[in-house]
Amino acid sequence: DQQVKQNSPSLSVQEGRISILNCDYTNSMFDYFLWYKKYPAEGPTFLISISSIKDKNEDGRFTVFLNKSAKHLSLHIVPSQPGDSAVYFCAASDGTGANNLFFGTGTRLTVIP
Amino acid sequence: NAGVTQTPKFRILKIGQSMTLQCTQDMNHNYMYWYRQDPGMGLKLIYYSVGAGITDKGEVPNGYNVSRSTTEDFPLRLELAAPSQTSVYFCASSYVQGANTEAFFGQGTRLTVV
Repeated sequence: DQQVKQNSPSLSVQEGRISILNCDYTNSMFDYFLWYKKYPAEGPTFLISISSIKDKNEDGRFTVFLNKSAKHLSLHIVPSQPGDSAVYFCAASDGTGANNLFFGTGTRLTVIP
Repeated sequence: NAGVTQTPKFRILKIGQSMTLQCTQDMNHNYMYWYRQDPGMGLKLIYYSVGAGITDKGEVPNGYNVSRSTTEDFPLRLELAAPSQTSVYFCASSYVQGANTEAFFGQGTRLTVV
């Protein structure tokens, strides 16, 4: 029962263009959403987050959009750079327990120089 | 600044053997977690701890045990290794006080049970 879904296993984008990674969730109790980036043989590293009371959060080249009614969030990377090539995980927390995170299956982004 | 450190990085176990995956953090975080990641899947929570002496089960706890005797350390124990436990294991920590915060992850332990 996957509560957080990333339906695109992979995405290829030209350098300098926009990358859009999508994530859907089913649990309406989720109140905090995060994006993690993962390189091979490394642990996930935090990228950006958004609270459910907001619909947009921006940090440099990275912007996360949240559409609560559609239970959908997306990560925009503009402009995309070759160093952005990695697996991106969407995660969500319902604020209960110990801030436990529910992860999507990840999207592998390849930025082509 | 070490962050979250896991040992070993790789391990091959035979069915029925036991082992302990070590995890330590130097950020004085109160919360610690163990996740596993199977191929093509997201990370799933095994166990978590909200402070020294307090642990609780996550989504997939069967076959594992944990302890939290200090703030820094959160070892994960496999008592009778099974092929289904072949996975990459990630330890994480976070400082949680009120609002949500992000978790910091170790580099992972790749375990193969044969």
